[in-house]
Amino acid sequence: EPEVTQTPSHQVTQMGQEVILRCVPISNHLYFYWYRQILGQKVEFLVSFYNNEISEKSEIFDDQFSVERPDGSNFTLKIRSTKLEDSAMYFCASSPGRTYNEQFFGPGTRLTVL
Amino acid sequence: GDSVTQMEGPVTLSEEAFLTINCTYTATGYPSLFWYVQYPGEGLQLLLKATKADDKGSNKGFEATYRKETTSFHLEKGSVQVSDSAVYFCALAPIQGAQKLVFGQGTRLTINP
Repeated sequence: EPEVTQTPSHQVTQMGQEVILRCVPISNHLYFYWYRQILGQKVEFLVSFYNNEISEKSEIFDDQFSVERPDGSNFTLKIRSTKLEDSAMYFCASSPGRTYNEQFFGPGTRLTVL
Repeated sequence: GDSVTQMEGPVTLSEEAFLTINCTYTATGYPSLFWYVQYPGEGLQLLLKATKADDKGSNKGFEATYRKETTSFHLEKGSVQVSDSAVYFCALAPIQGAQKLVFGQGTRLTINP
């Protein structure tokens, strides 16, 4: 069964460093998403991506964040200069269509900023 | 704005007990409603969904009914198993525009044999 994969499973970085979190969505899906979950808090929407551009982003998704689909399979989230408060679990998801279709989630990348 | 509130966890039950996890929402219009489950070490998996009022979603013995009058989508199962131990998330997809999901805080469920 096709699934969303994410790498790495755990990333440790120093404050101020750049990190890139990688995702491989399900191959025939058209919509891609990033969410994050700070420990003990809700899963929060960051950004959605369709047709090679951002379709919606949340207030959390400021200039420090960017997303890219560099080739036909990968979908990346870059954080330019990490802060302590960026420590969280980051989930990638993909969907074949719009709102009423299921979003398929990856296992997450745990980012720890020291 | 749109929001989802779930009952506080953790919840601990014995095998074969009846389960209810409460979920209420605030939204403009008529959102779609979802329950996702996260097993240890895995990603979020869709458990069930309902797209309009009075719809009942069901899967693996779990059920939830979209109640517009009470803005609720409570998750129920008649007889839980140890394998149901996981974190359960209630979520909504707002009707306007975007495809984002708005999640509740999650409820950790532990089933003891």
